[in-house]
Amino acid sequence: EVQLVESGGGLIQPGGSLRLSCSGSGFSFSTYWMHWVRQAPGKGLEWVSRIDSEGIGTNYADSVRGRFTISRDNAKSTLFLQMSSLRAEDTAVYYCARDLGRISEALGYWGQGTLVTVSS
Amino acid sequence: DIQLTQSPSFLSASVGDRVTITCRASQDIRSYLAWYQEKPGKAPKLLIYAASTLQSGVPSRFSGSGSGTEFTLTISSLQPEDFATYYCQQFYGWTFGQGTKVEI
Repeated sequence: EVQLVESGGGLIQPGGSLRLSCSGSGFSFSTYWMHWVRQAPGKGLEWVSRIDSEGIGTNYADSVRGRFTISRDNAKSTLFLQMSSLRAEDTAVYYCARDLGRISEALGYWGQGTLVTVSS
Repeated sequence: DIQLTQSPSFLSASVGDRVTITCRASQDIRSYLAWYQEKPGKAPKLLIYAASTLQSGVPSRFSGSGSGTEFTLTISSLQPEDFATYYCQQFYGWTFGQGTKVEI
């Protein structure tokens, strides 16, 4: 069974940094592209970032580019999101998600999410 | 960046109704579109990918169609468990539509 478990969320002051982790199990982690998606309170889904299977190719939403960094450790089946210069508008539940298949055409598996609250 | 516009944003319906949600892309995305269902406190669930392919385990009352810039998600006979928010997502740049909330 595919499982994705996020961790690392919490309360952080504006301007601070936080690193989220996502541990994958039940599949060959190094085979799939991985994504971060977030949902601010009462708002819709916002795609944040993706990383290819080797950890070489990355993309970011305009809203986080230059502040967030996605990375992965395939040996530990773990995905990361390093967040810096955090703003109030970054407050959200952050989900990690796995592409459904080898082609990036759908997010087939999601974690339960971890809440990040940016507030003084 | 490719923008996705869903309509309507809110939809009131009854059990047994046929429901259609539209997603329009700002440029041609071929069939690189997926649909998700989201319920409060839960992670989104994949319903449809490649515009019209039903994800394994999803009831057949859900269907997707379209290509290029216009896509639809149809629920043929709305069930109580289908009251939720639905999102489309494009896979040229991974952005989501703004969502459609289906209410009783």
